[in-house]
Amino acid sequence: DAKTTQPPSMDCAEGRAANLPCNHSTISGNEYVYWYRQIHSQGPQYIIHGLKNNETNEMASLIITEDRKSSTLILPHATLRDTAVYYCIAPNFGNEKLTFGTGTRLTIIP
Amino acid sequence: DAGVIQSPRHEVTEMGQEVTLRCKPISGHDYLFWYRQTMMRGLELLIYFNNNVPIDDSGMPEDRFSAKMPNASFSTLKIQPSEPRDSAVYFCASSLGGLYSNQPQHFGDGTRLSIL
Repeated sequence: DAKTTQPPSMDCAEGRAANLPCNHSTISGNEYVYWYRQIHSQGPQYIIHGLKNNETNEMASLIITEDRKSSTLILPHATLRDTAVYYCIAPNFGNEKLTFGTGTRLTIIP
Repeated sequence: DAGVIQSPRHEVTEMGQEVTLRCKPISGHDYLFWYRQTMMRGLELLIYFNNNVPIDDSGMPEDRFSAKMPNASFSTLKIQPSEPRDSAVYFCASSLGGLYSNQPQHFGDGTRLSIL
């Protein structure tokens, strides 16, 4: 997998937008960027993924830079239930393995 | 639709005993994955299946671990004999068509295993 780098922790006020960065400077042109999160004691939850274009779904938005070396996950209106560890993953093309690093521990503050 | 279903949710047993973890993937999904999560090693892939056939078992720690998928709706992960260092949370995940078919993996709630 392309190596990804994320800050170990972040805080965000409830109701504000949470912006979680991820660097993946070694990503190949055909490799996706996947985002998952893990709320305490639960299994990882898929959030969103993308290749080149920005993506949006009911949970979040994903902004990928034009050179694809970094991306930002945006939770537009964070709630306390968004407190979790967020993982950015860039699996090797054709490889079904998801390699979870240490992620970013996001804490939403009331 | 029901998600990935794992059983049991918690298992406590003594070392040397056989442990069997069970997983029912999402109906129609053709990929099934077993992961293990510990504080020391994080979340790591053990093995995955495609159409009930094991594709990559390079993450299986040793011969004490075995996994089977007898049909499209059921898989087991067995540890025999179990050791205290096997204590972890074991997750099962499934997907339709794989990551590069634009299909994410969906995870169950895990089995928390404690070997005394």
